[in-house]
Amino acid sequence: AQSVTQPDIHITVSEGASLELRCNYSYGATPYLFWYVQSPGQGLQLLLKYFSGDTLVQGIKGFEAEFKRSQSSFNLRKPSVHWSDAAEYFCAVAGGDDMRFGAGTRLTVKP
Amino acid sequence: GAVVSQHPSWVICKSGTSVKIECRSLDFQATTMFWYRQFPKQSLMLMATSNEGSKATYEQGVEKDKFLINHASLTLSTLTVTSAHPEDSSFYICSAKRSGANVLTFGAGSRLTVL
Repeated sequence: AQSVTQPDIHITVSEGASLELRCNYSYGATPYLFWYVQSPGQGLQLLLKYFSGDTLVQGIKGFEAEFKRSQSSFNLRKPSVHWSDAAEYFCAVAGGDDMRFGAGTRLTVKP
Repeated sequence: GAVVSQHPSWVICKSGTSVKIECRSLDFQATTMFWYRQFPKQSLMLMATSNEGSKATYEQGVEKDKFLINHASLTLSTLTVTSAHPEDSSFYICSAKRSGANVLTFGAGSRLTVL
């Protein structure tokens, strides 16, 4: 079965600084990979996804992620963080009919 | 785009009562719906997968008699928390998948508080 690891539970960055959130997955075949964002008390919003093709995918709100098969990673990046990016970020992998989530990384943005 | 509506958003109930949460796909037919539970500051935990017209498949450790899932139509799945207790208080989120698609659309979640 597929699994996802997000090594960083909590990350703090200054507004305007760059951001990278790590995600490692385990799956036997080529995975479908996702990043979701969850603002406090709200549901999930899809930031971006990777199914196939170009390994660098662009998402909403200026986020991008790169699929690296050799490292089994799908790290999320943003060049310049805004205060409104403070939220919980979940990496997910899908295979078959279900989806598994990482434990999440909480992002705090300092003024 | 695909929209999933979840109702109610907030529910408070007394211990021992049952609570029903609805998950509707508004503009597409969802052959598969998923129910997740999220404890504070933790990740989503898949509770069960429901396919229209068949019994739900529950994850290990999830009590199927306590968390009743019904997926009677292609646009509606319900989760009933039976005889709720304070430890059932949580954020419940559903998601739906269109037939042939690989992207899930999530509902906004339902926060259950059991007194």
